[in-house]
Amino acid sequence: TQLLEQSPQFLSIQEGENLTVYCNSSSVFSSLQWYRQEPGEGPVLLVTVVTGGEVKKLKRLTFQFGDARKDSSLHITAAQPGDTGLYLCAGDGTTSGTYKYIFGTGTRLKVLA
Amino acid sequence: DAGITQSPRHKVTETGTPVTLRCHQTENHRYMYWYRQDPGHGLRLIHYSYGVKDTDKGEVSDGYSVSRSKTEDFLLTLESATSSQTSVYFCAISTSSTGDLNEQFFGPGTRLTVL
Repeated sequence: TQLLEQSPQFLSIQEGENLTVYCNSSSVFSSLQWYRQEPGEGPVLLVTVVTGGEVKKLKRLTFQFGDARKDSSLHITAAQPGDTGLYLCAGDGTTSGTYKYIFGTGTRLKVLA
Repeated sequence: DAGITQSPRHKVTETGTPVTLRCHQTENHRYMYWYRQDPGHGLRLIHYSYGVKDTDKGEVSDGYSVSRSKTEDFLLTLESATSSQTSVYFCAISTSSTGDLNEQFFGPGTRLTVL
């Protein structure tokens, strides 16, 4: 069974601080996605990483895919209150041609003004 | 915006009653998914579809059935709702086809309460 573990589960920080969220697995994924979800809404896709060692930047957010494609991290620089939300990672668990995604349990981030 | 709508957005029902949730997409994607989201469990896959009349089970499929008679609609049915099925249900589509990058996009969710 493929599992994705996210850490930390909860994070409360002051505006302007930096933070890193981790997504780890013992399984290899062909790609991995990060989402942000706000209360009462569906998850919104932030980025997809595909290549081992890949780094993608989205403004103040930096995403990295591990060399072995088993783990990923999300780093936020100078966090703002608008970054508050639930961050989810999801691995493409494709096997035998099916398109299933494995989701982590999420990191709930609160950025205080 | 991947053109995904869900209906109803909120529903309160009683134990033992049947419930059907609808997911509608406007962009002709082949793959559609139903998830439930509960505190401490994240998103868990209930069922998914890889084409009209082609569906398969996810990790928490007991007590749920699905149907897909048209590309644009994916229905989730609780034949006899139980309190353990109180949850937020999300529909999603995948933009990929064989060999392409898989990316999922989600609908706004349906909050279901079973009393």
